[in-house]
Amino acid sequence: GESVGLHLPTLSVQEGDNSIINCAYSNSASDYFIWYKQESGKGPQFIIDIRSNMDKRQGQRVTVLLNKTVKHLSLQIAATQPGDSAVYFCAENILYNFNKFYFGSGTKLNVKP
Amino acid sequence: EAEVAQSPRYKITEKSQAVAFWCDPISGHATLYWYRQILGQGPELLVQFQDESVVDDSQLPKDRFSAERLKGVDSTLKIQPAELGDSAMYLCASSLGRGMTGELFFGEGSRLTVL
Repeated sequence: GESVGLHLPTLSVQEGDNSIINCAYSNSASDYFIWYKQESGKGPQFIIDIRSNMDKRQGQRVTVLLNKTVKHLSLQIAATQPGDSAVYFCAENILYNFNKFYFGSGTKLNVKP
Repeated sequence: EAEVAQSPRYKITEKSQAVAFWCDPISGHATLYWYRQILGQGPELLVQFQDESVVDDSQLPKDRFSAERLKGVDSTLKIQPAELGDSAMYLCASSLGRGMTGELFFGEGSRLTVL
């Protein structure tokens, strides 16, 4: 199967600091990437996405960077808040392969007040 | 706001019993996915439907798991008999499909505990 991995299983940051969560993907043919946030006991929630023809996309307090050369994806959260504490997953989508999505094991973000 | 509906949210059962989970995707979404998520891990695809057809069930333990989407709308995932190792969150997700890349929407999941 495909491999989507994360560099750090746990990340602790101080409230107000910026957070950076990294993700490595293995398939250079991937078309589309999504970052999800998952709070305890809930389903994953969409945060931001990026298509393979882009290298950066910004949302509200979040930015996703895509480096296709090294197959690396990152999620930057500005001014991290306690409500940002959750597990974050990146998902890799391969449209030609029946629109499959592959997930990494996640990074847990702990925001210290 | 449109959402993926799942039930039950929680299920506790004894091993060797049968369990079933139901999912209603967002209206108009052709692709439906069932994922299993073990605590501390990412979602793992069990089965994927395009309309009423299975396009991938390679990771579905077919000796005990079955899934159907008879009319191409809602779907049921069944486990019979349940085993201790089946304890996990079962997530349903949907996307537009039909050749269109787009967001994968998740339901809140069904948490299964097998005793």
